[in-house]
Amino acid sequence: QSVLTQPPSASGTPGQRVTISCSGSSFNIGSNPVNWYQQLPVTAPKLLIYSNNQRPSGVPDRFSGSKSGTSASLAISGLQSEDEGDYYCAAWDDSLNAVVFGGGTKLTVL
Amino acid sequence: QVQLVQSGAEVKKPGASVKVSCKASGYTFSSYAMHWVRQAPGQGLEWIGWINAGNGNSKSSQKFQGRVIITRDTSASTVYMELSSLRSEDTAVYYCAREGHGDWAKFDYWGQGTLVSVSS
Repeated sequence: QSVLTQPPSASGTPGQRVTISCSGSSFNIGSNPVNWYQQLPVTAPKLLIYSNNQRPSGVPDRFSGSKSGTSASLAISGLQSEDEGDYYCAAWDDSLNAVVFGGGTKLTVL
Repeated sequence: QVQLVQSGAEVKKPGASVKVSCKASGYTFSSYAMHWVRQAPGQGLEWIGWINAGNGNSKSSQKFQGRVIITRDTSASTVYMELSSLRSEDTAVYYCAREGHGDWAKFDYWGQGTLVSVSS
């Protein structure tokens, strides 16, 4: 049972826009920045979005993040087949004094 | 360029200990904290703990307290994670990840992962 809640799966066709949600509490998302990680098959995770909505250099602007209250979202527009993989949200939790992750969302490009 | 290179796969018996290393290069080692994250087969990411590479202070998740020791060797730009009293549920890929400045959950570079298998 993950501290942050994500849907287990999401899907879309090439070119579509997909959103992935991440729900937490006042101890984590409500008071700390949210980061998103992309894990493609058989690879290490990669930082996709940091500080709620910032993209590291090299990450296409098709990826965007937002946060409101105790929830955050990752949006992927212009879906491509190479986007298929697992996506995780993460934040610091002030109550647990720990980094907490969402359970991950498996994105399928149909 | 920043690189984190981890030690190779390990096979251990229940009750044993394992020590995984993570050698950093391409940046000032003592200026960034390092975290350890693991991923059991087919499962999600789980945070283990972190170390301040500058002063050596470390902290682990409550789940691993008493079983994990995170250390660093500044002369070798290497961080170590030792997990003891291994059980089958510890079978996982273990990653080191550099913490980006300003956010404890921002991991801007990751190691390639080290598979630790625990089996009798």
